[in-house]
Amino acid sequence: DGGITQSPKYLFRKEGQNVTLSCEQNLNHDAMYWYRQDPGQGLRLIYYSQIVNDFQKGDIAEGYSVSREKKESFPLTVTSAQKNPTAFYLCASSIQPGSEQYFGPGTRLTVT
Amino acid sequence: KNQVEQSPQSLIILEGKNCTLQCNYTVSPFSNLRWYKQDTGRGPVSLTIMTFSENTKSNGRYTATLDADTKQSSLHITASQLSDSASYICVVSSVGDSNYQLIWGAGTKLIIKP
Repeated sequence: DGGITQSPKYLFRKEGQNVTLSCEQNLNHDAMYWYRQDPGQGLRLIYYSQIVNDFQKGDIAEGYSVSREKKESFPLTVTSAQKNPTAFYLCASSIQPGSEQYFGPGTRLTVT
Repeated sequence: KNQVEQSPQSLIILEGKNCTLQCNYTVSPFSNLRWYKQDTGRGPVSLTIMTFSENTKSNGRYTATLDADTKQSSLHITASQLSDSASYICVVSSVGDSNYQLIWGAGTKLIIKP
């Protein structure tokens, strides 16, 4: 998992509540990413950030929000607007966009 | 539409045997292709990366091949071990004029039985 940490590993929430997933890296990487992984599907990009104070929507950004106030941190908020939030969430970072991505251990979110 | 398809979806083999996983892609423009290994409940870890001009790349018992003409890649695992049980994911990157994109396959779940 390199120098990327995600917490918590398991998260349970009631429907209608917002929840924030943590992602921290000490690799001094400029780019950071959030993916969602569902059974039988490839990873889908939610948001990415190429540099501090900048981020871009990925393929499935609706119902999610992010911030990048520090180089080391890229938290993801799953809002109540996300229709099907139960999934495995992976955070990754890379030296620069296009270079190898290093992944954190993931957070499994269950919303009931 | 850019797509990456992997086969088989799942595979069970006995410890010590060899196996080959397939990846077909329709991605343009093509930049590179990576194979990742993902243990259950963990993040993916890169095994190999190949650019357009590379045909073969090895990483220990893992050997990846790339045929850019047919747009196919394979990952061969030699003398499998129990620790090889994982999902193996093929990822193709595409770099356009102002756009960088990763297209992920759904993965092949490999189970090694003792």
